[in-house]
Amino acid sequence: SQQGEEDPQALSIQEGENATMNCSYKTSINNLQWYRQNSGRGLVHLILIRSNEREKHSGRLRVTLDTSKKSSSLLITASRAADTASYFCATDAAGANSKLTFGKGITLSVRP
Amino acid sequence: EPEVTQTPSHQVTQMGQEVILRCVPISNHLYFYWYRQILGQKVEFLVSFYNNEISEKSEIFDDQFSVERPDGSNFTLKIRSTKLEDSAMYFCASSEWSGQGGGYTFGSGTRLTVV
Repeated sequence: SQQGEEDPQALSIQEGENATMNCSYKTSINNLQWYRQNSGRGLVHLILIRSNEREKHSGRLRVTLDTSKKSSSLLITASRAADTASYFCATDAAGANSKLTFGKGITLSVRP
Repeated sequence: EPEVTQTPSHQVTQMGQEVILRCVPISNHLYFYWYRQILGQKVEFLVSFYNNEISEKSEIFDDQFSVERPDGSNFTLKIRSTKLEDSAMYFCASSEWSGQGGGYTFGSGTRLTVV
């Protein structure tokens, strides 16, 4: 698998349910970031978790990081139709000039 | 909240023509980047820029591409002779520092269509 690979590729849930998206990566990282992209639009930074952190919260978002398994999860609680978008994890590799490696993304559809 | 501004939002150009995509990073940021996203594919790193020089570039960033910071505020990406496969969304980003520092701020992108 490639650096920053998310699963599932697509997720469809009912409004009010929680959405969990996973990301796996291969190399050591400085941090892992999650971004959101509405169709055809720009990337919006959601949350960053550093390699020495295990869990982080921001509003309805909860991110976990397990560096031993090289994986992260993004949980969106009490989802809304407006959360419908593509979500990307991106890793900032350790020991290198800063650049992000993105996964292919997860398409989340929240049905009203 | 500070923003990264990109212009134009959409550019259509003929194959073989030169295009310049413009970006205004956040004023106190020191690191600048260009990424691209071909329709339906993942976002790919093109180049990073610090202290008025390229710090890293990907295989995609060949001799057809160049970046410049012509003044204290703008950061440009030039494609000298566009090809059909250059059609993509191009994102500019900036960050305050590198590595452990923190997140990036991305612009809204320029959709480049080469015909």
